Amino acid sequence: DADVTQTPRNRITKTGKRIMLECSQTKGHDRMYWYRQDPGLGLRLIYYSFDVKDINKGEISDGYSVSRQAQAKFSLSLESAIPNQTALYFCATRPGPNTEAFFGQGTRLTVV
Amino acid sequence: GESVGLHLPTLSVQEGDNSIINCAYSNSASDYFIWYKQESGKGPQFIIDIRSNMDKRQGQRVTVLLNKTVKHLSLQIAATQPGDSAVYFCAERSNWANNLFFGTGTRLTVIP
Repeated sequence: DADVTQTPRNRITKTGKRIMLECSQTKGHDRMYWYRQDPGLGLRLIYYSFDVKDINKGEISDGYSVSRQAQAKFSLSLESAIPNQTALYFCATRPGPNTEAFFGQGTRLTVV
Repeated sequence: GESVGLHLPTLSVQEGDNSIINCAYSNSASDYFIWYKQESGKGPQFIIDIRSNMDKRQGQRVTVLLNKTVKHLSLQIAATQPGDSAVYFCAERSNWANNLFFGTGTRLTVIP
């Protein structure tokens, strides 16, 4: 079983719809992250959380919101999806500051 | 501002040859760097990391070199194999937000 699990793996949605991407982890890490990947742009940070009561904006938080429901769960919402939010989304966890990030398999989101 | 980038977007090497993938960073205060490998349809996977108090670190068939004077990071893969074909990202730890910032990636293609 994957340590960092994202659902759904693929999603097509219409412009204006609300959509939630979910992430759960079994690694016991406090730090969780949501990244967006576009071709040629690498990974960009959307939001991050260092514990259940901590939510922080990343580089590109506009149009997104998050919820840290528990240490193991961190969900990303698009309140009103738009086509330029079509991208590959990754959730990641880290045990501490100077440590690697562990990534989920990604969610491919298409907004039509 | 910070930037993490790669000199070459693509690299093709013959199977068995050594590969060198380069990365430049702009934040001289960055103290932790990671290389990730991303295969098609998968999340990034950790390869190797290095802290700023080191200039070289070796793993299995991989070596990371850090030159803080010119703010340059490289990943060397020895005896490159077809399974090494992937996109490689460098990531830099940002002091201000304690997050990882990623470069745009280099696509490595191994020619059998």
